Amino acid sequence: EVQLLESGGGLIQPGGSLRLSCAASGFTFSSYGMSWVRQAPGKGLEWVSDIRGGGDSPYYADSVKGRFTISRDNSKNMLYLQMNSLRAEDTAVYYCAKDVGVMLRGHYYMDVWGKGTPVTVSS
Amino acid sequence: DIQMTQSPSSLSASVGDRLTITCRASQSISSFLNWYQQKPEKAPKLLIYAASSLQSGVPSRFSGSGSGTDFTLTISSLQPEDFATYYCQQSYGPPITFGGGTKVEIK
Repeated sequence: EVQLLESGGGLIQPGGSLRLSCAASGFTFSSYGMSWVRQAPGKGLEWVSDIRGGGDSPYYADSVKGRFTISRDNSKNMLYLQMNSLRAEDTAVYYCAKDVGVMLRGHYYMDVWGKGTPVTVSS
Repeated sequence: DIQMTQSPSSLSASVGDRLTITCRASQSISSFLNWYQQKPEKAPKLLIYAASSLQSGVPSRFSGSGSGTDFTLTISSLQPEDFATYYCQQSYGPPITFGGGTKVEIK
């Protein structure tokens, strides 16, 4: 069974840093791109970042560019999101998702999602 | 960035109703359009990809159509487990963007 399990969320002060992790199982992790998507309390879904199976060509939403870094360790089946200079507007549940397809190379969608990890940025 | 506009933002419906949700893109996205369902406190679930392809395991009462800028998600006969929020998503290019969501409530 394909499973994704996020961890690392919590309460952090504005300006602080946090690293989210996503443990993947049940599929050949290195063969698939992975995404982070977030959802602020009571709001809709916002795509945050994507990385290809080989760890190249990361993409970021403008709202996090320069502050967040996506990475992966294919030897450990792990996806990460390093979040720096956190702001109140980064408060959200962060989901990792398995991609099908490659962005800009045909159809691309997210077929499996984790349960999410909450991040609260507040003093 | 490509803006995705869903309508309506919410609706009330009864079990057995036929339901149509609309999603409009701010520019042509061919068929690079996906639909997700999200229930409260749960992760989103993929329903439809490439505008009209049904994800494995999703009931056939769900269908999608459209291309270019206008898309629809149809539920042919609403079931109790279908009360949820539905999001469209364009995958034409980065940044990936979602519609604002359509909340389907019980009448």
